[in-house]
Amino acid sequence: SQQGEEDPQALSIQEGENATMNCSYKTSINNLQWYRQNSGRGLVHLILIRSNEREKHSGRLRVTLDTSKKSSSLLITASRAADTASYFCATGDNNAGNMLTFGGGTRLMVKP
Amino acid sequence: GAGVSQSPRYKVAKRGQDVALRCDPISGHVSLFWYQQALGQGPEFLTYFQNEAQLDKSGLPSDRFFAERPEGSVSTLKIQRTQQEDSAVYLCASSFGTGNTEAFFGQGTRLTVV
Repeated sequence: SQQGEEDPQALSIQEGENATMNCSYKTSINNLQWYRQNSGRGLVHLILIRSNEREKHSGRLRVTLDTSKKSSSLLITASRAADTASYFCATGDNNAGNMLTFGGGTRLMVKP
Repeated sequence: GAGVSQSPRYKVAKRGQDVALRCDPISGHVSLFWYQQALGQGPEFLTYFQNEAQLDKSGLPSDRFFAERPEGSVSTLKIQRTQQEDSAVYLCASSFGTGNTEAFFGQGTRLTVV
């Protein structure tokens, strides 16, 4: 079963716009991670945010975490056509070696 | 190697056939995970190894699925008597530690059972 749910399931924007994807989860976590997957390829790690952190930045990416609401968001600023991909949030469980439980993903399309 | 390597990249199996999927993790990575990803879905956990020990196999869907990592590096996921519902992408991931560390994924093996 999947713990996280991404919202929206699909998002289409113009190049240069910002893209915001949300993730909700159900149980307590040690960390939350965001991954990107291009069609037919493996997952690429974007950001890990620990349960005691509230916000993290990496280049054009900004991730927030609200453990009281059991939710996280991923913001991609100044999007590019190359950002077109599926984005997944995953919660980590340190009791199982940081086993990841993934959501269903948001399919982002950035139009040039 | 530079990353996690999986082979084969694609596998077509006739229903009832046995298959073996291989994963070469990043050298020195302690943790190794197998995930199953159905079309249009997020990956779902199958099993977890810490070195050669299989610490969690709660995600394996049936006793037809078996995984091993005998020397604590390369891992093999075996599916016996494949069924059509086994068709999916099988992803392997490894990580250096066992706590708050990122996992590195291979490209996956796309299994199609006909």
